[in-house]
Amino acid sequence: QVQLQESGPGLVKPSETLSLTCAVSGYSISSGYYWGWIRQPPGKGLEWIGSIYHSGSTYYNPSLKSRVTISVDTSKNQFSLKLSSVTAADTAVYYCARHSGSWYGSPWDYWGQGTLVTVSS
Amino acid sequence: EIVLTQSPGTLSLSPGERATLSCRASQSVSSSYLAWYQQKPGQAPRLLIYGASSRATGIPDRFSGSGSGTDFTLTISRLEPEDFAVYYCQQYGSSPAPFGGGTKVEIK
Repeated sequence: QVQLQESGPGLVKPSETLSLTCAVSGYSISSGYYWGWIRQPPGKGLEWIGSIYHSGSTYYNPSLKSRVTISVDTSKNQFSLKLSSVTAADTAVYYCARHSGSWYGSPWDYWGQGTLVTVSS
Repeated sequence: EIVLTQSPGTLSLSPGERATLSCRASQSVSSSYLAWYQQKPGQAPRLLIYGASSRATGIPDRFSGSGSGTDFTLTISRLEPEDFAVYYCQQYGSSPAPFGGGTKVEIK
């Protein structure tokens, strides 16, 4: 069974960089599929942040592209998110997830439980 | 970028009733690349439907999806207590692959 688990600070100061890691178990990232991040502000809808393949190819939401970096560490079977210059608008539950198909736009079939990141001084 | 509009915003129904949720796209969704998700409070979304009408693994057959082009529907034939949740559609025929704003199905 594929399992994903987010980890990282729950509180980030404005203008700083948000950093999260997603540890994957039950499946080797090197075996394929795209992996990515989605966020959900409190009481609001879902927003795709970006996705990565095990080769390191990345795809970002244009609305966030200038501030987002997603990387993968196949030796640790995990991938990471960095979001720079955060503001209160970046406060959200951040999910890591796996795409179900062969491209980065395909539906998400496995999700982490999500982690709340609050941007506040 | 394709924009997805879900309606109604909230659907108030009783267990055993039929639920019909709508997702309308601002442009045609290629190859019926539309998915539906269910999200319960405090949980991650769960994939229900992909390809507009194919149920994901383990999804009960009371959930069905239909539609093509710009108009898609998720139908829950008879609501079970565990079906009261928020439902999101997502198109994945082009990038970015946005989600709709969601429909909350609540107990009447």
